[in-house]
Amino acid sequence: KAGVTQTPRYLIKTRGQQVTLSCSPISGHRSVSWYQQTPGQGLQFLFEYFSETQRNKGNFPGRFSGRQFSNSRSEMNVSTLELGDSALYLCASSPDGLALHFGNGTRLTVT
Amino acid sequence: AQTVTQSQPEMSVQEAETVTLSCTYDTSENNYYLFWYKQPPSRQMILVIRQEAYKQQNATENRFSVNFQKAAKSFSLKISDSQLGDTAMYFCAFLNRDDKIIFGKGTRLHILP
Repeated sequence: KAGVTQTPRYLIKTRGQQVTLSCSPISGHRSVSWYQQTPGQGLQFLFEYFSETQRNKGNFPGRFSGRQFSNSRSEMNVSTLELGDSALYLCASSPDGLALHFGNGTRLTVT
Repeated sequence: AQTVTQSQPEMSVQEAETVTLSCTYDTSENNYYLFWYKQPPSRQMILVIRQEAYKQQNATENRFSVNFQKAAKSFSLKISDSQLGDTAMYFCAFLNRDDKIIFGKGTRLHILP
């Protein structure tokens, strides 16, 4: 089985722009969740989607949004980028909502 | 609110030695799940081991085992016969099924040749 695929792997954006990150889960996994990883704050949960519905949300501003499509693929969008949004964004899929299978992440740099 | 604390930011051990990584958590829940994840330099997070709080028996996966002390809210990871490939960042995580997962800040483990 193919693993979780995140695209792109690297991204450089300017303050004020918006960005969309993509995640394709492992086939058969209906739960997809997103995480922000920074040296200062560590790993923080952004949101989780299950069958196209947002099931849980972390403590991030409304500039961070996501969605899940009928094929379980998910996208995450960040609008009005700030320097502090520079981070590694990880996506994970799960067959049972418990064990997470992570992708390689997207490294976002905001200048 | 639940919290997860990993008190060792960084550790180094010689290859083939045994090492224990500490994790404590705080919760008022009775049913939950605990995990250890490994993030090697390639940056892909990998599940190492998982423990259900209702199970008293400590989970084991080959060279990896946990010491789960529910009353003390402690969940340490023991790596036996450590190998160079065990060099990574290790994250302890807590999950209440109806809530979001919470990660500790991580322990950077170096296995020295």
